[in-house]
Amino acid sequence: NAGVTQTPKFQVLKTGQSMTLQCAQDMNHNSMYWYRQDPGMGLRLIYYSASEGTTDKGEVPNGYNVSRLNKREFSLRLESAAPSQTSVYFCASSEASSGANVLTFGAGSRLTVL
Amino acid sequence: KNQVEQSPQSLIILEGKNCTLQCNYTVSPFSNLRWYKQDTGRGPVSLTIMTFSENTKSNGRYTATLDADTKQSSLHITASQLSDSASYICVVSAAAGNKLTFGGGTRVLVKP
Repeated sequence: NAGVTQTPKFQVLKTGQSMTLQCAQDMNHNSMYWYRQDPGMGLRLIYYSASEGTTDKGEVPNGYNVSRLNKREFSLRLESAAPSQTSVYFCASSEASSGANVLTFGAGSRLTVL
Repeated sequence: KNQVEQSPQSLIILEGKNCTLQCNYTVSPFSNLRWYKQDTGRGPVSLTIMTFSENTKSNGRYTATLDADTKQSSLHITASQLSDSASYICVVSAAAGNKLTFGGGTRVLVKP
């Protein structure tokens, strides 16, 4: 059972370049999330999708866009990368967006913006 | 502002020894508290989830406690193993808006 799969695992970009992080889950979960993790800080929510067809901003949405392509897939796009977006990005999913639901995380995507 | 503070930031213990990690939070209204384990280069994995009415919950050698009155939680690791080397993250869920607040984590290194 793959769980949550993220691609790519590593990426180096130059300032101003664009890229898309892909995420897919095979657990039939309704809700999906994108977080970023920076050294010494807790994970911060960028965007989430409570259900297929809906997306909402999280705590740090600026500079990012998302697409809930279908129930399985949730992508994160950086239109014009900035050094401040150097981080490790995690996709997660849960059965529902209720706070009682446990998140299942992907392995992470390490992004460096030069 | 909802906050979750973890201590210590890091610790080193010898294999076979016990250790306790602390989590203090100001999230209100409280819904539940989770502990996650994050191995290096991997995503966090859930260890326990505790609601307001639960004081203690165990998962193998991991035991979490919760004092909702003082807004404190601890994670106790018994008879540590090398595989316990990881970051441990405390996450608190607010009852309003289902918002999760993550602590910065405690990095544990178990040495032989």
